[in-house]
Amino acid sequence: GQSLEQPSEVTAVEGAIVQINCTYQTSGFYGLSWYQQHDGGAPTFLSYNALDGLEETGRFSSFLSRSDSYGYLLLQELQMKDSASYFCARGDSSYKLIFGSGTRLLVRP
Amino acid sequence: NAGVMQNPRHLVRRRGQEARLRCSPMKGHSHVYWYRQLPEEGLKFMVYLQKENIIDESGMPKERFSAEFPKEGPSILRIQQVVRGDSAAYFCASSQGSGSNQPQHFGDGTRLSIL
Repeated sequence: GQSLEQPSEVTAVEGAIVQINCTYQTSGFYGLSWYQQHDGGAPTFLSYNALDGLEETGRFSSFLSRSDSYGYLLLQELQMKDSASYFCARGDSSYKLIFGSGTRLLVRP
Repeated sequence: NAGVMQNPRHLVRRRGQEARLRCSPMKGHSHVYWYRQLPEEGLKFMVYLQKENIIDESGMPKERFSAEFPKEGPSILRIQQVVRGDSAAYFCASSQGSGSNQPQHFGDGTRLSIL
């Protein structure tokens, strides 16, 4: 089974804020990454958290709580182009990424 | 600075044929990873290679699948005697280093369809 859990689908309106949660199994955890993938496209790296706290990169922020085995991706000022699938991925060793099943974000006008 | 290049983008094979998927990493990257993705699912790790070495192939089926990353040329994922269940998108990624804080940069993938 999956070692990461994230919602399968989220819908939000343009200009809003949306939070995509991710919980993971702690065994051998190195860090949590987030990737964006548009339909038919390549996964694109968004952010990485190894330590607790918030990492901000423009409209996107990512948060990690190691004690809670939990993280989230926060998208602000949503734009139509943000409609895509978002994957959390845990570092299961110093190199291997284990991906969640993805959250499909639909941004409505 | 070219990104990760994969070819072909689409590949159609009949059952029993061989499929060869190619991946050229980003310039300066010596770490290559192959992942497989089924529709509506996340990417599943298959194999991790450095130049001329397979570091971890724990996600790759023991039968029919092989991977290489020669000293010269692209990394190759080879699937022999393909079956319908091999139909998927295969993504290659590369990174500059092997630490978990090193982002992996992905190619556009090869969509393999088995008739």
